[in-house]
Amino acid sequence: DTEVTQTPKHLVMGMTNKKSLKCEQHMGHRAMYWYKQKAKKPPELMFVYSYEKLSINESVPSRFSPECPNSSLLNLHLHALQPEDSALYLCASSQHIQAINTEAFFGQGTRLTVV
Amino acid sequence: DAKTTQPNSMESNEEEPVHLPCNHSTISGTDYIHWYRQLPSQGPEYVIHGLTSNVNNRMASLAIAEDRKSSTLILHRATLRDAAVYYCILRRGSQGNLIFGKGTKLSVKP
Repeated sequence: DTEVTQTPKHLVMGMTNKKSLKCEQHMGHRAMYWYKQKAKKPPELMFVYSYEKLSINESVPSRFSPECPNSSLLNLHLHALQPEDSALYLCASSQHIQAINTEAFFGQGTRLTVV
Repeated sequence: DAKTTQPNSMESNEEEPVHLPCNHSTISGTDYIHWYRQLPSQGPEYVIHGLTSNVNNRMASLAIAEDRKSSTLILHRATLRDAAVYYCILRRGSQGNLIFGKGTKLSVKP
């Protein structure tokens, strides 16, 4: 199984809502990533988890809260978002951070709309 | 993060070869050169990677300059399904994160 599964595929939420995005992989990968992608722009790295510990936070606002409850699962908790946070949120995984001679696998993303 | 430079867009005819260039003049000795592509409405997918030698796989070939300051992704026979944004990325050992540049949008004409 070489898939990264993201749910939901689409999400519409109000600015006062709390919601969560979920990402799952069963490849035994120990590095997991969240990216944000605005229309016609490249993906921007948000967070990196290495062996279930937060390794990198690219100065992401606290209204985005990542969580890695186990080695297969990565969540992104959303609270009090703004309309400008509407974007495609991508999850990725790789063997581990230093395995730079291996490929990373991406999910299909969650299309988030904040109203 | 190591920087790469790619043309914003390229066009190709179907069933013809496509050469997508990438400049990475600040590459260090242990950086791997990776290529990913993103089809419309999909997540990025891995294409190929290499360190010093040219590489071939079922999707593409990667030609790396001798001084490693540039590389070229080669699609041997472009199809309509190859229309995508192609990203050239350097992965560095200290972090290994995939940091995306602007990429090249490839259009394929029938």
